Amino acid sequence: EPEVTQTPSHQVTQMGQEVILRCVPISNHLYFYWYRQILGQKVEFLVSFYNNEISEKSEIFDDQFSVERPDGSNFTLKIRSTKLEDSAMYFCASRPGAGGQETQYFGPGTRLLVL
Amino acid sequence: RKEVEQDPGPFNVPEGATVAFNCTYSNSASQSFFWYRQDCRKEPKLLMSVYSSGNEDGRFTAQLNRASQYISLLIRDSKLSDSATYLCVVNMYDYKLSFGAGTTVTVRA
Repeated sequence: EPEVTQTPSHQVTQMGQEVILRCVPISNHLYFYWYRQILGQKVEFLVSFYNNEISEKSEIFDDQFSVERPDGSNFTLKIRSTKLEDSAMYFCASRPGAGGQETQYFGPGTRLLVL
Repeated sequence: RKEVEQDPGPFNVPEGATVAFNCTYSNSASQSFFWYRQDCRKEPKLLMSVYSSGNEDGRFTAQLNRASQYISLLIRDSKLSDSATYLCVVNMYDYKLSFGAGTTVTVRA
């Protein structure tokens, strides 16, 4: 069964450093998402992406965040200057988008720790 | 008011028991509804979609009450493997999922 993959599974970084989290969505999916989950808290929407542009972003997704689909398979989330409060699990998700299919499929996540 | 509110539990039940819990959502324009399951430190996985007429998937039954903005999940004949956090998830028209904080269920032998 096709699945969303994410790399790395864990990342430790120093405050102020840039990180890039990578995702490979399911191959025929058209809509891509990033969510985050701070330890002990709920999953929160960050951004949605369709047709090579952001379709919606949350208030969490400020100027320090950016997303890109650099090629036909990868979908990345960049945090330019990490803060302690960026420590969280980051989930990528994708959705087919065709035929009204709504289900979003989540990757296994990248656990980011900012020191 | 939170977009999606859930009873956090925990619900601690013996194997074979029935457990039910619910959530409420604030936005009446919400269009679709799901229950996801999340195991400790893992990604959310779709358990089932929730339809207006109510729906069943094996031992799991979901109900939706649009008038009261209320969604429920019932698990029959609980198994040890049902131990998890169950996430109530609501989708607006833009497919931005709003998650509840989750209801923790522990099934004991």
